[in-house]
Amino acid sequence: ILNVEQSPQSLHVQEGDSTNFTCSFPSSNFYALHWYRWETAKSPEALFVMTLNGDEKKKGRISATLNTKEGYSYLYIKGSQPEDSATYLCAIFTGSNYKLTFGKGTLLTVNP
Amino acid sequence: DVKVTQSSRYLVKRTGEKVFLECVQDMDHENMFWYRQDPGLGLRLIYFSYDVKMKEKGDIPEGYSVSREKKERFSLILESASTNQTSMYLCASKTGGSEKLFFGSGTQLSVL
Repeated sequence: ILNVEQSPQSLHVQEGDSTNFTCSFPSSNFYALHWYRWETAKSPEALFVMTLNGDEKKKGRISATLNTKEGYSYLYIKGSQPEDSATYLCAIFTGSNYKLTFGKGTLLTVNP
Repeated sequence: DVKVTQSSRYLVKRTGEKVFLECVQDMDHENMFWYRQDPGLGLRLIYFSYDVKMKEKGDIPEGYSVSREKKERFSLILESASTNQTSMYLCASKTGGSEKLFFGSGTQLSVL
């Protein structure tokens, strides 16, 4: 089973703070990395799909980078807002089959 | 708006019952997945299907079976429910390749 590690497990920040968290994965057989946001009582929603080493993606105040050679991705949130409170999931697609393997997630709580 | 619909949001069943969890997607996706989410363990893949009548075991298939008779519908079956199958169950679908997953809103199953 592919090992996808996310850190930290949970994080509390104040409104307006910028924050970041990490997803680590085996660099061999890498095909794509996904970031999802899962708010309480809602469905997980895709934020980014990243495939190329050095890729950077941005969506509003959220951005992500990818390093496939060393096997990690960072997710950044600039100026956190209470509505950013959610669990952020990272998943790896190796391409050898159809499935994504998920990390355990980072639970972000933004205090007003 | 694309949709993955799970038949029940909450379900309470007794040990030994046969349980059906239904999932329907309206996006003509080839691939469909069943995950379970448990605290501290992240999303774990139970089964997936890449075509009608085709299925593959995920990481934790024991105690489960699946059915995909039509492209839009993917059912998860608990042949004889046990208390350790109490969990949040998420269905998802996607097109081919490394494209993102679309998730249903989840079914919280309690087995008493």
